[in-house]
Amino acid sequence: DAGVIQSPRHEVTEMGQEVTLRCKPISGHDYLFWYRQTMMRGLELLIYFNNNVPIDDSGMPEDRFSAKMPNASFSTLKIQPSEPRDSAVYFCASSLEHDNQPQHFGDGTRLSIL
Amino acid sequence: KQEVTQIPAALSVPEGENLVLNCSFTDSAIYNLQWFRQDPGKGLTSLLLIQSSQREQTSGRLNASLDKSSGRSTLYIAASQPGDSATYLCAVRCSEYSSASKIIFGSGTRLSIRP
Repeated sequence: DAGVIQSPRHEVTEMGQEVTLRCKPISGHDYLFWYRQTMMRGLELLIYFNNNVPIDDSGMPEDRFSAKMPNASFSTLKIQPSEPRDSAVYFCASSLEHDNQPQHFGDGTRLSIL
Repeated sequence: KQEVTQIPAALSVPEGENLVLNCSFTDSAIYNLQWFRQDPGKGLTSLLLIQSSQREQTSGRLNASLDKSSGRSTLYIAASQPGDSATYLCAVRCSEYSSASKIIFGSGTRLSIRP
């Protein structure tokens, strides 16, 4: 079991640039989650998918953020245009269909917007 | 609005001691509560998940309890080891959401076990 795979591990870019974060969930998991972690706000849920369909995107901070899941094995979180306050660690997690199953996290993408 | 609090923010104890980490939440209408461990530069690892109908869960040296009425959960670590050093987070799934997983995280307790 390869676990949840995120890429890149680190991203440094200038403000105004488009940033795309990628996630491959654990095979067979029907739920996929995107989180953001900062020192000030802790860990926040941005959006989650069930069977590739976005269910709740109320945590997405602004229209600059968008997420897609074109198939069961791939998801992207895009920021366009990026701003310095978007600097954070972004985590992807996945879980099985049943509600009371633990979430499995990737190692995150550390994003720095200069 | 659900709020999850973890106190203390940091804890340092000598190796071998038993210890308790605390988590409190403001709305008792939860679906489940989960304890995670986070190592530096890594994602979260799920340790224990307690459903709202349960009182506790155990895994090895770890025991997590849940008291919904008082809005509290504890994570008990027996015979602590230096390898237990990490940040421990609790997370509450709010039951007002009909489908899976609106989860609120605490800010974590950074645990350091001194050899």
